[in-house]
Amino acid sequence: EVQLVESGGGLVQPGGSLRLSCAASGFPFSSYWMSWVRQGPGKGLEWLANIKQDGSEEYYVDSVRGRFTISRDNAKSSLFLQMNSLRAEDTAIYYCAKTISATPGDYWGQGTLVTVSS
Amino acid sequence: QSVLTQPASVSGPLGQSITISCTGTSNDVGDKNWVSWYQQHPGRAPKLMIYDVSDRPSGVSSRFSGSKSGNTASLTISGLQAEDEADYYCSSYTIDDTYVFGSGTKVYVL
Repeated sequence: EVQLVESGGGLVQPGGSLRLSCAASGFPFSSYWMSWVRQGPGKGLEWLANIKQDGSEEYYVDSVRGRFTISRDNAKSSLFLQMNSLRAEDTAIYYCAKTISATPGDYWGQGTLVTVSS
Repeated sequence: QSVLTQPASVSGPLGQSITISCTGTSNDVGDKNWVSWYQQHPGRAPKLMIYDVSDRPSGVSSRFSGSKSGNTASLTISGLQAEDEADYYCSSYTIDDTYVFGSGTKVYVL
């Protein structure tokens, strides 16, 4: 059974940093692109970034490029999102998702809540 | 990287059919057959319902079907059931090798 478990969310002040993790199991992690998607309170889904199987390619949405960095550790079946220079508008539930074909996520974690507030 | 346009809400009576539209541009929806659809119940993670415009993942009911014409994709739910009441989002791969989601549609079952 595919499982994705996010962690690392919490309350952070504007301008601060946070590192999210996603532990994957139930599938050959190193064989799939992976993505991060977020959802602000009462808002829609926003794709943030994805990373190739071997970590050699990364893509970002404009709103986080230069502030967020996606990475992975295939030996530990883990996905990460380093978030710097956080803003109030980054407050959201952050989901990691297993990517197939041209679909950002065929499986999703339950999400981790990030709150940016002073 | 603009959001794809979806109607805010769609409703239909039990047993009937509804269709949700998803309008983009030639840079995303209209480029290739790389549109997917997600169902999200309150407080839950999204669930993939359709990928590559019209393919259904294993376990998804055949009541859900997808199509595309030009820059607009559509999700049809036939034989509406109470459990279909949820938010639905489309998504498309783009020419920039990124993804964009739709604005979301709330489906009400009357």
